[in-house]
Amino acid sequence: EAGVAQSPRYKIIEKRQSVAFWCNPISGHATLYWYQQILGQGPKLLIQFQNNGVVDDSQLPKDRFSAERLKGVDSTLKIQPAKLEDSAVYLCASRRGRTNTEAFFGQGTRLTVV
Amino acid sequence: AQSVTQLDSHVSVSEGTPVLLRCNYSSSYSPSLFWYVQHPNKGLQLLLKYTSAATLVKGINGFEAEFKKSETSFHLTKPSAHMSDAAEYFCVVSRYNNNDMRFGAGTRLTVKP
Repeated sequence: EAGVAQSPRYKIIEKRQSVAFWCNPISGHATLYWYQQILGQGPKLLIQFQNNGVVDDSQLPKDRFSAERLKGVDSTLKIQPAKLEDSAVYLCASRRGRTNTEAFFGQGTRLTVV
Repeated sequence: AQSVTQLDSHVSVSEGTPVLLRCNYSSSYSPSLFWYVQHPNKGLQLLLKYTSAATLVKGINGFEAEFKKSETSFHLTKPSAHMSDAAEYFCVVSRYNNNDMRFGAGTRLTVKP
C-alpha cells in the first residue's frame, strides 16, 4: 500500500510569514496525527484527528497554528505568523484503528524560519 | 495522563556486543507500547509493538522488548549490535481508549567498530 505522503519536503521562510504543510494519509486510516520534531528531541504531538474530528489539540499553539482535515482524508497544518522557534521537522502519521495497530509516518517537512 | 521516559539519551556499544535501550512508561490505562527507529534523514520505522498479547515481543532486525507491568518498563534489547543499528530510537505509548501516541525523548545509539 502507498505510504503517508507529505509536501513540501523542505521550506525556508522568513519570520512572520505564513506556511502550510499538506498530508495525505494511507487510505482507510481513520486517525491522523501531526507532530513537531525539533532537532535533538522526540516528536511532540500537535494535533490528533479521528476522521475529520479533533481528538486532541492540547499542545497546538492555537494563536499561530491551525489544522484541518477535510472529509476525513487529507490534512493541512498552517503556521501564521511563523517564529524562529518553529524551525523543526513536521511529521504526519496515520493509523488504521485502535491501539493494537501501529502508526505509519511520512518523510516529514523540514521548516527553517530565518 | 500518560508519559514515556527513556532513561538514556545516548548509548554507545561495540559491534557484536549486546544492546539495551531503556524505557519506562506511565499510563492510567492498559497501554500499547511501540519502539520506532529513525535513521539520519530517514522516516520513522516501526521496530516492534506490544498490544497486551505476549509480554516478550520480537521485532525486525533481531530486536526484542519485554513488557513488565510491575516495573512499568518496556526495554529494547538486541544480542549483538551491527553497525547499521546506529540510529535514534524512540519508545512510544498509546492509551487503549484514546488512540493517542506519545513519544519519549529518544536514545541515540552509536555502534563502534
